[in-house]
Amino acid sequence: GESVGLHLPTLSVQEGDNSIINCAYSNSASDYFIWYKQESGKGPQFIIDIRSNMDKRQGQRVTVLLNKTVKHLSLQIAATQPGDSAVYFCAENMGGADGLTFGKGTHLIIQP
Amino acid sequence: EAGVTQSPTHLIKTRGQQVTLRCSPISGHTSVYWYQQALGLGLQFLLWYDEGEERNRGNFPPRFSGRQFPNYSSELNVNALELEDSALYLCASSSGGLPDTQYFGPGTRLTVL
Repeated sequence: GESVGLHLPTLSVQEGDNSIINCAYSNSASDYFIWYKQESGKGPQFIIDIRSNMDKRQGQRVTVLLNKTVKHLSLQIAATQPGDSAVYFCAENMGGADGLTFGKGTHLIIQP
Repeated sequence: EAGVTQSPTHLIKTRGQQVTLRCSPISGHTSVYWYQQALGLGLQFLLWYDEGEERNRGNFPPRFSGRQFPNYSSELNVNALELEDSALYLCASSSGGLPDTQYFGPGTRLTVL
């Protein structure tokens, strides 16, 4: 089975609000995590990453938080905009030859 | 800098046929990954090529195969197509360094009738 999963398949937020997308992982050996955004009909787009020796990393309007104690990853999007509507995937890299393991994704819907 | 490119964009085949999908990585990247994304589902890892060699494959039958060329571009071949092979096939490339961030192409939408 998948070692990475998302708690909610769909998240609906008001435009301008902050969004929080959650992800649970089960492999404590994972040392690198990535969030991707996939718009309809397009390939996943890299948003932000974090290594296991960090617990927080900020980008432009996005923040990723890593809680290794409970094996939880979250993506925070500030001041959500219509262009943020997409499916968001978290992925973990366990190192070696396994590549990335993806969760099923969370569909973020922005309400006007 | 050009991103990962894939061809064709869309493809329609019938059961039993064979298909070849192509991917060109970001310049300077030596690793290419292939994923299958069935409609409404997550990405399933198919194959990983690095420096011309197959490094790992996911839980897919042998009719899924591929190769990587000296210029690091890659092909994915699927033989004896089945209806459930209908999916978006995504290619990603990375520099092979650590951390190994993968950058994706737009994908090839394969429909098997």
